[in-house]
Amino acid sequence: NAGVTQTPKFRVLKTGQSMTLLCAQDMNHEYMYWYRQDPGMGLRLIHYSVGEGTTAKGEVPDGYNVSRLKKQNFLLGLESAAPSQTSVYFCASSKEVEGIQPQHFGDGTRLSIL
Amino acid sequence: GQQLNQSPQSMFIQEGEDVSMNCTSSSIFNTWLWYKQDPGEGPVLLIALYKAGELTSNGRLTAQFGITRKDSFLNISASIPSDVGIYFCAGQPPYNTDKLIFGTGTRLQVFP
Repeated sequence: NAGVTQTPKFRVLKTGQSMTLLCAQDMNHEYMYWYRQDPGMGLRLIHYSVGEGTTAKGEVPDGYNVSRLKKQNFLLGLESAAPSQTSVYFCASSKEVEGIQPQHFGDGTRLSIL
Repeated sequence: GQQLNQSPQSMFIQEGEDVSMNCTSSSIFNTWLWYKQDPGEGPVLLIALYKAGELTSNGRLTAQFGITRKDSFLNISASIPSDVGIYFCAGQPPYNTDKLIFGTGTRLQVFP
């Protein structure tokens, strides 16, 4: 019963390096989301997708790109990592049911940028 | 953008006590959700509220969707040590039903 799986769980990068975070869900959900969580700021939406091949910007999209080539996967890319992107990143997915969208979360990726 | 004000920021209580926390906004929401996050894990959905005035329970948890659609409350009765964690409210704004807006969280600590 995997649900939402995020890889990697931890990563340390140097400023300027690039990397991709992977989110995979096995619930056949249409909607997928990427959030970042910083102390005292709750969860802030980076990008989201309402279906395969679609993406949209959230509250804090700058410095990130995403792709949804397959329904079950949602990738978050950092082209040139900056210390301000040190955070815990959460992926979530949901299946719209009459307009209501309870989201299911992965366990997070802890990313440190030095 | 639209924000949710969640209070209190943190709570330190004795086991067995009841807990109340709330979430308010200057704008209306279509749906209110309450999540709990344990250390090192992602948030887990506790309760979902779909209609103004709705009162819903899940075991020792009770949540209400405010009649003005601008607030929601979560109560935990007879707290136990495993209630420790961060509780988040989240609302679905009417202008964009594809996403949720999250509150800043209430950190709950329960002492035996």
